[in-house]
Amino acid sequence: QQQVKQSPQSLIVQKGGIPIINCAYENTAFDYFPWYQQFPGKGPALLIAIRPDVSEKKEGRFTISFNKSAKQFSLHIMDSQPGDSATYFCAASSYNNNDMRFGAGTRLTVKP
Amino acid sequence: GAVVSQHPSRVICKSGTSVKIECRSLDFQATTMFWYRQFPKKSLMLMATSNEGSKATYEQGVEKDKFLINHASLTLSTLTVTSAHPEDSSFYICSARRTGDGQPQHFGDGTRLSIL
Repeated sequence: QQQVKQSPQSLIVQKGGIPIINCAYENTAFDYFPWYQQFPGKGPALLIAIRPDVSEKKEGRFTISFNKSAKQFSLHIMDSQPGDSATYFCAASSYNNNDMRFGAGTRLTVKP
Repeated sequence: GAVVSQHPSRVICKSGTSVKIECRSLDFQATTMFWYRQFPKKSLMLMATSNEGSKATYEQGVEKDKFLINHASLTLSTLTVTSAHPEDSSFYICSARRTGDGQPQHFGDGTRLSIL
């Protein structure tokens, strides 16, 4: 049951580039959309999250864009750095966060 | 911050043994904790939701007698893989959430389980 579809599967950008990762969800009951960053051998770390009452949220170099009518949201990483190389997961859940579903993940490589 | 500690980080054991994994929220109380399984280069798959003081809720296809969950306090949940077999080898990750709507899940660093 893939309730959250994430693309691309992998992404390579040069340092300073702006990688964009896209996600689409199906369940209209979802109203909380976090992004997690995971390094090898570690658990996911919360990066940024958005609720559907806003179309964009920015925290540092990370920006989420949200399109409620299309049921899509995306992560943009500004001025990407080699240290940003990791796997990124989008997720969706209801606001009580007890039913979180993850996308398949995007492996990002930022080349120096 | 919201720190979740998971122990052990890695365990190797023989087929047929039982393995217990602990998940602790160090600086907050977690009414709800979650257990995930992650295969190499794959996404996180929710196994069960653990509620303090009550029985865990298992996802479809997850054997509750195989994966025993105990959430005895507001800061500790345990997952016991009973009679483990090689196919149970995986990366198990827990997360914890503060009480209240809108609270995000915070993840531990996972346990790499290898069954020989």
